[in-house]
Amino acid sequence: KQEVTQIPAALSVPEGENLVLNCSFTDSAIYNLQWFRQDPGKGLTSLLLIQSSQREQTSGRLNASLDKSSGRSTLYIAASQPGDSATYLCAAAVSGSARQLTFGSGTQLTVLP
Amino acid sequence: GAGVSQSPSNKVTEKGKDVELRCDPISGHTALYWYRQRLGQGLEFLIYFQGNSAPDKSGLPSDRFSAERTGESVSTLTIQRTQQEDSAVYLCASSLVAANYGYTFGSGTRLTVV
Repeated sequence: KQEVTQIPAALSVPEGENLVLNCSFTDSAIYNLQWFRQDPGKGLTSLLLIQSSQREQTSGRLNASLDKSSGRSTLYIAASQPGDSATYLCAAAVSGSARQLTFGSGTQLTVLP
Repeated sequence: GAGVSQSPSNKVTEKGKDVELRCDPISGHTALYWYRQRLGQGLEFLIYFQGNSAPDKSGLPSDRFSAERTGESVSTLTIQRTQQEDSAVYLCASSLVAANYGYTFGSGTRLTVV
């Protein structure tokens, strides 16, 4: 059974810092991996999707990497802003017909002005 | 529509009553998923629909939970004889073809059983 772990559970940084969020998964047979952000009381917003054949994806100040062999993904946020404050979730789509997502518990990020 | 729409956004119900939650996926998305997020916990997979194929119900926690989907459109999640442990945010997601292009989630229905 796939298990996804995110470290740290919470992170507080001053505005302008670069930061890295970590995600690890136990079963390397994933279909893809997706990073989301969740704001309080809101649904999930997709940030980046990395297919199993890819190593990284970039969108603006965000860069996500995937290393299937080590079971790890990282989300790099450059020049953090207070508006980046949210919970960041990584989720691995399991191989198989349903390809449902297995989620980590999230990293709660606070960017201080 | 432009996104995944869920209704109601909030639902308070008495223990023992039945509730029905609705999800309108993005038009053209053949795959539809239901997830549950209990307070302070991660998201749990409940059920998956792909076109007209038989749904994958492997995540449903008990036989009080059921879901339907008409073709590639609206889905309803029904919880019978609700219990307090059913209190959670129920999230619906759709995908163009099972996860190929990632998921788009709705804003969820917050269910509170009192």
